[in-house]
Amino acid sequence: ILNVEQSPQSLHVQEGDSTNFTCSFPSSNFYALHWYRWETAKSPEALFVMTLNGDEKKKGRISATLNTKEGYSYLYIKGSQPEDSATYLCAPPSANTGGFKTIFGAGTRLFVKA
Amino acid sequence: DAGVTQSPTHLIKTRGQHVTLRCSPISGHKSVSWYQQVLGQGPQFIFQYYEKEERGRGNFPDRFSARQFPNYSSELNVNALLLGDSALYLCASSRGPGVESPLHFGNGTRLTVT
Repeated sequence: ILNVEQSPQSLHVQEGDSTNFTCSFPSSNFYALHWYRWETAKSPEALFVMTLNGDEKKKGRISATLNTKEGYSYLYIKGSQPEDSATYLCAPPSANTGGFKTIFGAGTRLFVKA
Repeated sequence: DAGVTQSPTHLIKTRGQHVTLRCSPISGHKSVSWYQQVLGQGPQFIFQYYEKEERGRGNFPDRFSARQFPNYSSELNVNALLLGDSALYLCASSRGPGVESPLHFGNGTRLTVT
């Protein structure tokens, strides 16, 4: 069973603070890593799909890095805004009979106070 | 383009009953996945279908079944409902079943079993 761990479980920051959180996953049989943002009362939204060791992706103030050899990914938010408040989920697909299944971590819940 | 649509949005059922949840993917997406999400956890993988064939199955009992239709829409069926089946059921579509295809989620069906 693929074990995906995210830390911290929750995070409270002030507007303007920069923050980061971690996703840990087994480094063997790595295929890809997905990051999603899930705002309250909305559906999860894809942020990044990362596949290569050393990958760095950026979308506005949000960026992510990937280390497949040691099995972790960091998500960074620069200058947090209240609208960044959401649960951030990481999900590495794993092989399943005939295909893949995307296993989600429990998420990091970010609260940004104005 | 319309996003992923799920119906119904909310549902209340009694223990032992059967339920059918429906999902229409984004136009052009041929893969549909189902997830169960309970409070405090990330979405748990139930099934993935691609081109009407099951491509992945999570650790759920045989009471859970699904199918995909020629128009790529999908149904999730749960028989003999238990209290523990109360959850948010998410459907996600993607262009293909591969690990590099990000998932596009619907708003979910909130199932309450009493």
